[in-house]
Amino acid sequence: GENVEQHPSTLSVQEGDSAVIKCTYSDSASNYFPWYKQELGKGPQLIIDIRSNVGEKKDQRIAVTLNKTAKHFSLHITETQPEDSAVYFCAASRNTPLVFGKGTRLSVIA
Amino acid sequence: ETGVTQTPRHLVMGMTNKKSLKCEQHLGHNAMYWYKQSAKKPLELMFVYNFKEQTENNSVPSRFSPECPNSSHLFLHLHTLQPEDSALYLCASSQEPGGITEAFFGQGTRLTVV
Repeated sequence: GENVEQHPSTLSVQEGDSAVIKCTYSDSASNYFPWYKQELGKGPQLIIDIRSNVGEKKDQRIAVTLNKTAKHFSLHITETQPEDSAVYFCAASRNTPLVFGKGTRLSVIA
Repeated sequence: ETGVTQTPRHLVMGMTNKKSLKCEQHLGHNAMYWYKQSAKKPLELMFVYNFKEQTENNSVPSRFSPECPNSSHLFLHLHTLQPEDSALYLCASSQEPGGITEAFFGQGTRLTVV
């Protein structure tokens, strides 16, 4: 089955700097790659996703890139703000229930 | 609000107790899921229901018993749990089963087994 590895497990950045979180997946047939943000006391919420027919997608300060050959995808957050502090999860799917990475705890220091 | 509501938010139960977790979605979705979230582990898929029918049981111990009376409601019945079952239990729903459409999560039930 699918296996998703996520790095780093924790990340601290200064406000205004960029943050990058990376994930690798094992199943070359996976075709959907969402990113979820989980704030304290809440469930995960989708922030951006990408499908296998696209290499990059951007939504304001967040972007996701996908390298199908290398089987890895990354989340990029620019101009980080304190409210970006949360746990971020990547996931992968091949028309099956999502398989999640272990999460990255991002701290944005004001 | 995500449209997925879970109750209770917190639950403490003894190992001999029987309790139930409830999930309700107001999104008109056809698929519902139970996930377990433990510290420093990926979200673990437990059960999948599609149009009220269980389509996946991810090798979950029988002390966890799901029930899906209709497409909007999902329960997780708990009995004779172990301390290692303490975790955040998340319910999610999506328009279609599988990972091709966005999954919406509830806020979770924080379960502590004593």
